Amino acid sequence: DAKTTQPTSMDCAEGRAANLPCNHSTISGNEYVYWYRQIHSQGPQYIIHGLKNNETNEMASLIITEDRKSSTLILPHATLRDTAVYYCIVWGRNYGGATNKLIFGTGTLLAVQP
Amino acid sequence: DAGVTQSPTHLIKTRGQQVTLRCSPISGHKSVSWYQQVLGQGPQFIFQYYEKEERGRGNFPDRFSARQFPNYSSELNVNALLLGDSALYLCASSVRRDRERVDYGYTFGSGTRLTVV
Repeated sequence: DAKTTQPTSMDCAEGRAANLPCNHSTISGNEYVYWYRQIHSQGPQYIIHGLKNNETNEMASLIITEDRKSSTLILPHATLRDTAVYYCIVWGRNYGGATNKLIFGTGTLLAVQP
Repeated sequence: DAGVTQSPTHLIKTRGQQVTLRCSPISGHKSVSWYQQVLGQGPQFIFQYYEKEERGRGNFPDRFSARQFPNYSSELNVNALLLGDSALYLCASSVRRDRERVDYGYTFGSGTRLTVV
């Protein structure tokens, strides 16, 4: 089962910031928060990841709360091409010899409106 | 640089048939994972292969099998196809750092859309 909960859908006006929340209350100390997005019928695309500090790259910013139980992905100036399903994934080292696998939930469908 | 490439892009098969899907990882990536994504759901983990060995398997029946070749490319095979096997099959490659027991840089291909009729 996914370790994260996200809203099913969100709307955002073109040009405005899109703030996508994610709850991961059972995250452990060695687990990262990863964000991927999936545009219709394409493979998931990596956006950003973080451990405990806020992160920023050319695509987005990631804000992680101090207790690490939730995070927010920020797209600073959303465009129509940002319409996609956004997945928040908690993932980390495996100490038990098991596979590193990404566990996807159902994600948030972000609809950017003109 | 070429990303993860998958073939074919689309496929239509009949119930009971067998199918083979192919994946070429990013150069330098030795881990390949397979995911199944049915309509309206997130991708579900099927297999991971590293250095030609199976390193993990998801909750899928034995009809699903895979292998990895010396050049790190991979094939996913599904036997005795059912209507419920209709899905987007995604391949992801990653870099394995054994000492850290972590795979990094998961990069997905565009997938193979399988329709079983």
